[in-house]
Amino acid sequence: GQNIDQPTEMTATEGAIVQINCTYQTSGFNGLFWYQQHAGEAPTFLSYNVLDGLEEKGRFSSFLSRSKGYSYLLLKELQMKDSASYLCAVREKSGGNNRKLIWGLGTSLAVNP
Amino acid sequence: DTAVSQTPKYLVTQMGNDKSIKCEQNLGHDTMYWYKQDSKKFLKIMFSYNNKELIINETVPNRFSPKSPDKAHLNLHINSLELGDSAVYFCASSRGSTRVDTIYFGEGSWLTVV
Repeated sequence: GQNIDQPTEMTATEGAIVQINCTYQTSGFNGLFWYQQHAGEAPTFLSYNVLDGLEEKGRFSSFLSRSKGYSYLLLKELQMKDSASYLCAVREKSGGNNRKLIWGLGTSLAVNP
Repeated sequence: DTAVSQTPKYLVTQMGNDKSIKCEQNLGHDTMYWYKQDSKKFLKIMFSYNNKELIINETVPNRFSPKSPDKAHLNLHINSLELGDSAVYFCASSRGSTRVDTIYFGEGSWLTVV
């Protein structure tokens, strides 16, 4: 995604905490999503932020700062099954009532024992 | 009870052939999508339909033609397949009318053109 930046790869240790950052530029911000995609599988929804602040959901939390065009996904108590690609996606208004999701290239997270 | 189902899951075909991928959702959603994910893992929207009406049509060769017979189905037909069409194609759906508007993906169709 040309307007969304996130690190290509990250490595972390089982039981640790990892933060995956996402910066974006958009003309009509309308929400930010984080998706998880295991190899060979479809992306699945993790979290959604439209207002500034932190959204917590179990071991996963997502933060948004609209003024900075910045979000992060925080994963706590990492487990081996968390090894996956994490996709940041920004929804922007695209004319009328239409909204479009712009996807980042994803961050491939490897969790080591 | 798969929410978004697409067939076939794997497809290997020769250049120049015409193929179709079918998609159905049983979530009662109004909006359906086709996405293409290439070898670099970039997820790019191709088409979006809302209640059978085309609302997003990205810059996609006209060899790709979506068909939505009803709001629960969105099929993708590809003519004259080329090597560069090899990718994973994901069908997806969303309510289309709510603020959160989470997208639910099908399991993907792995297309290999040889």
